[in-house]
Amino acid sequence: QVQLVQSGSELKKPGASVKVSCKASGYTFSSSAMNWVRQAPGQGLEWMGWITTNTGNPTYAQGFRGRFVFSLDTSVSTAYLQISSLKAEDTAVYYCARVSALAYSFDIWGQGTMVTVFS
Amino acid sequence: EIVLTQSPGTLSLSPGERATLSCRASQSISSSYLAWYQQKPGQAPRLLIYGASNRATGIPDRFSGSGAGADFTLAISRLEPEDFAVYYCQQYGISSMYTFGQGTKLEIK
Repeated sequence: QVQLVQSGSELKKPGASVKVSCKASGYTFSSSAMNWVRQAPGQGLEWMGWITTNTGNPTYAQGFRGRFVFSLDTSVSTAYLQISSLKAEDTAVYYCARVSALAYSFDIWGQGTMVTVFS
Repeated sequence: EIVLTQSPGTLSLSPGERATLSCRASQSISSSYLAWYQQKPGQAPRLLIYGASNRATGIPDRFSGSGAGADFTLAISRLEPEDFAVYYCQQYGISSMYTFGQGTKLEIK
């Protein structure tokens, strides 16, 4: 079946880096752009940006330019989110989500990866 | 940047009642680019409605979406216990950017 499986929870210290993976299966990886969405504890959904899976071209939302990098490894149908110089306020669940072929919505979501930054 | 404002922030209703959730955009948007999601505690969001009024695969017909311009509505005709959750609207717009509303929590009265 079509699914996105993300890597496990991460515990990091401020200033460190983290790389979250999102492995796609059940469909042609290059056919749908991949989005990243952040959800801080008890808060709403925040769109971080997306990456085209055919060309690898990223687009970052305001507030996610600089320390956040989207990348791909198409050979294993996997998208990555790397966050550098981690801060306490980066503590959140990070979701990957596929753009639907039908419309500009997200029809398949990963299960989420909790990143905790603590000193 | 287009801002989506959802109301009410919290809606308290009983099973069997009808729920009406609102999503207002700061400017007119194409209805093709408006979606609704449901999120339950500890779970990823689930797509309910795309293109303002189209139910996603497997979504019961008690869920319906409507609206145009800057005002959109998600209605749930007869609330089931599993419908109590947080609901988000989302739009795709200028410069290929997405935004989410802040969410409406639907709780059991």
